This record gives sequence, structure tokens and C-alpha cells, in this order.
Amino acid sequence: RKEVEQDPGPFNVPEGATVAFNCTYSNSASQSFFWYRQDCRKEPKLLMSVYSSGNEDGRFTAQLNRASQYISLLIRDSKLSDSATYLCVVSPNDYKLSFGAGTTVTVRA
Amino acid sequence: GAVVSQHPSWVICKSGTSVKIECRSLDFQATTMFWYRQFPKQSLMLMATSNEGSKATYEQGVEKDKFLINHASLTLSTLTVTSAHPEDSSFYICSASVGTEPQHFGDGTRLSIL
Repeated sequence: RKEVEQDPGPFNVPEGATVAFNCTYSNSASQSFFWYRQDCRKEPKLLMSVYSSGNEDGRFTAQLNRASQYISLLIRDSKLSDSATYLCVVSPNDYKLSFGAGTTVTVRA
Repeated sequence: GAVVSQHPSWVICKSGTSVKIECRSLDFQATTMFWYRQFPKQSLMLMATSNEGSKATYEQGVEKDKFLINHASLTLSTLTVTSAHPEDSSFYICSASVGTEPQHFGDGTRLSIL
């Protein structure tokens, strides 16, 4: 079983729509959780950390459910520039990261 | 913000060639550097973790004699793919961190072996 699993998508949504997707992780001892964004043929960039109580950063809301071992990301009022692959990343400690294969989001005009 | 530079960004070479990729932290001293590999439509897979001045720790299944890592200073780590073959073609990404702070990623090296 993969350490981090994501629905690869793609999620095709119109501008202004809300899109949400989850990822699940297998290591119950995981301590840190992140969402990264990766554009085609580029390096991943940290979008936001995910905290136990859930957190919001502008149009992006992340939730963590430790009991069910899943993390979610919700994007409100989608912009064309939100089109990317979103990587769910989990860390069992403070430095080693396990990446999901990514969820592709395409926002259309 | 913290900047990590990788060089070269794209390499095309013949089978059997050895290829060296550099990873530099430009505005901070990285205590730890990481090397990842990403095949198309797959996740980044950690290959090895290196701390300055010590031997790299390789993940299971990664051949240390095939992928040589040198971390001679706090700002530079190199990955050498020795005797590269077409199956080594991939996107190689490094990252650097200070202590437990988030990793900062380089912009990646696309390696194509003919």
C-alpha cells in the first residue's frame, strides 16, 4: 500500500467554482501534513501546511482527519492560475517527506 | 524567500555517460539536502538524504554506487548518475533545509538518456 494516496483526477472546473479533493495516508504516526503545488515540469512549491484544527489561507482551506487518516484541500472561487497538480505530503518526523502522486486540477474559462 | 538552485536544468546524453547534477542553497546554509526522483505521473520519491560532511543515507532500492552523492559544504550537494541508462531518465529534484524548517526545492533537472 502506498504511503500517500490521491485521486489523480483530473478535476475540470469552470472559473469561480469550488473544487475539493482528499488524500489518505497509511502511517498513523505521521506528524506533519502539507499541500504542495506542482506545475507541469516544475519543482513542487509549498501551498500550505495542514493543522489539526483545519486552516485557511485565502481561497484555500485544508482539513485534517487523524482518525480516518485523510487530508482535504478545498479551493474556492477557482482561478485559471489554480490549474496545477496538487501534491499531498505527509511527514512522520520533522524532515522526511512522503509525497502523493498528485491530483490534477484544470480550471477553464 | 530561500532559494535553491539546480544545475543543469536539462540534460540529454548517451547511454553509459555519467551525469553530475548540482544543488546549491543560494542564501542559506543547508544542514540537510535531499534528492528526489519523479517519473511521469508519479510522486516524488526520496532517493537519499545527505548531511554536510557525512555519507548520504539512501532509501531502500536506491543503489548508492549508481547514484553518488557528495555534500562537501553547507551550500552544495551533487548527485552523479554513473553509467546512466535510458531507465534512469527522470526528473531529479533536490531540496535543502535548515534543521526542522520546511524543505526548499530546487527547480529540478530533467535527465534524458538516449
